[in-house]
Amino acid sequence: DAMVIQNPRYQVTQFGKPVTLSCSQTLNHNVMYWYQQKSSQAPKLLFHYYDKDFNNEADTPDNFQSRRPNTSFCFLDIRSPGLGDAAMYLCATSPAQDTQYFGPGTRLTVL
Amino acid sequence: AQSVTQPDIHITVSEGASLELRCNYSYGATPYLFWYVQSPGQGLQLLLKYFSGDTLVQGIKGFEAEFKRSQSSFNLRKPSVHWSDAAEYFCAVGAGNTGNQFYFGTGTSLTVIP
Repeated sequence: DAMVIQNPRYQVTQFGKPVTLSCSQTLNHNVMYWYQQKSSQAPKLLFHYYDKDFNNEADTPDNFQSRRPNTSFCFLDIRSPGLGDAAMYLCATSPAQDTQYFGPGTRLTVL
Repeated sequence: AQSVTQPDIHITVSEGASLELRCNYSYGATPYLFWYVQSPGQGLQLLLKYFSGDTLVQGIKGFEAEFKRSQSSFNLRKPSVHWSDAAEYFCAVGAGNTGNQFYFGTGTSLTVIP
């Protein structure tokens, strides 16, 4: 089945230790998104790619970076995780100007 | 600026009762409107969407929503709630220059009691 896959589902890292979260899609969608969702809050958009065009939200910290090497894959890099970065990270994909399809998320714990 | 308001943080209903979750949006043009459901520890699943046309849209799991331009609302309804409907519900607006940015409401948590 076509889908959005996130690996790992659970990630534990240490304070300040870089971590990379992965997202892949079999939907061949142009647009890929990364969201941060903290407990009992709405997802907060960090950035999105329209094909290779990177769009950063104004309030996304510099600590968060992203790479999209090809249509299928997108990575979220957290360069120096702080305790406040512990959250669920959601990847989504979309054809342009259409529905977003979400992956199951990666739960990040920072020790 | 675009925004989405879900006035009800938490709703409790009895199984079999009807349900309405409220959503109001602020956007200059006709928005794309969505309802998503999220179970604990899971990603978001699309329930239904409105882009244009018939203002009453049907979704999965027996849900429907009605777009009312005059009220800037897109309320979600279900005539008879099942225990498995207990989850977090998010309303979202697709907007931005390319239509690719989503703005989510803060969510409504639904509890279903037997």
